[in-house]
Amino acid sequence: EIVMTQSPATLSVSPGERATLSCRASQSVSSNLAWYQQKPGQAPRLLIYGASIRATGIPARFSGSGSGTEFTLTISSLQSEDFAVYYCQQYNNWPFTFGPGTKVDIK
Amino acid sequence: QVQLVESGGGLVKPGGSLRLSCAASGFTFSDYYMSWIRQAPGRGLEWVSYISSSTSYTKYADSVKGRFTISRDNAKDSLYLQMNSLRAEDTAVYYCARPQEPYSNSGWDYWGQGTLVTVSS
Repeated sequence: EIVMTQSPATLSVSPGERATLSCRASQSVSSNLAWYQQKPGQAPRLLIYGASIRATGIPARFSGSGSGTEFTLTISSLQSEDFAVYYCQQYNNWPFTFGPGTKVDIK
Repeated sequence: QVQLVESGGGLVKPGGSLRLSCAASGFTFSDYYMSWIRQAPGRGLEWVSYISSSTSYTKYADSVKGRFTISRDNAKDSLYLQMNSLRAEDTAVYYCARPQEPYSNSGWDYWGQGTLVTVSS
């Protein structure tokens, strides 16, 4: 099983600042990586797939990069609605696995 | 518009069974691989099971293998998860999810609202 790790566990950011979230896979997942945003009481929302492709309707302030084992989600200028938990997920190998999440909260 | 509506959750005793359903609408259900994903209270996301569009191929997380069975009825646009021998650690919100493209697993862009399964005596 591919183990996904995310850092940091919690990221405190002021509105308007840049946030950089990291995700690491225990073995290569090529570019088969997705990022999700989840707010309390809601289902996850797909942000990025293919490591760097924004899903439909996702604002341009969200960007993804990386391949192989190291990935980054960047939120260029945090808006109030961006404070949430972010998960990475690999879909290169069964079982598909998620990282433990990074909580982005208000500084 | 695309909708996924889960049902069938509830309180069940350890060792018991439940059958979850997911009613799909707004898209050609038979073209999409489907998955169940769960989230224990206050915890992260865990992929549970997958089924191909034609039902010929299924996959399970090790944590549920041999106890859960995924199935689908393309004529009824419905996805199911039969859960047997339930354990306390199966307590979670269960989501059905659809990938963003037909015949693809490249990210789930539609999720149901979730149905809560509580396993407790």
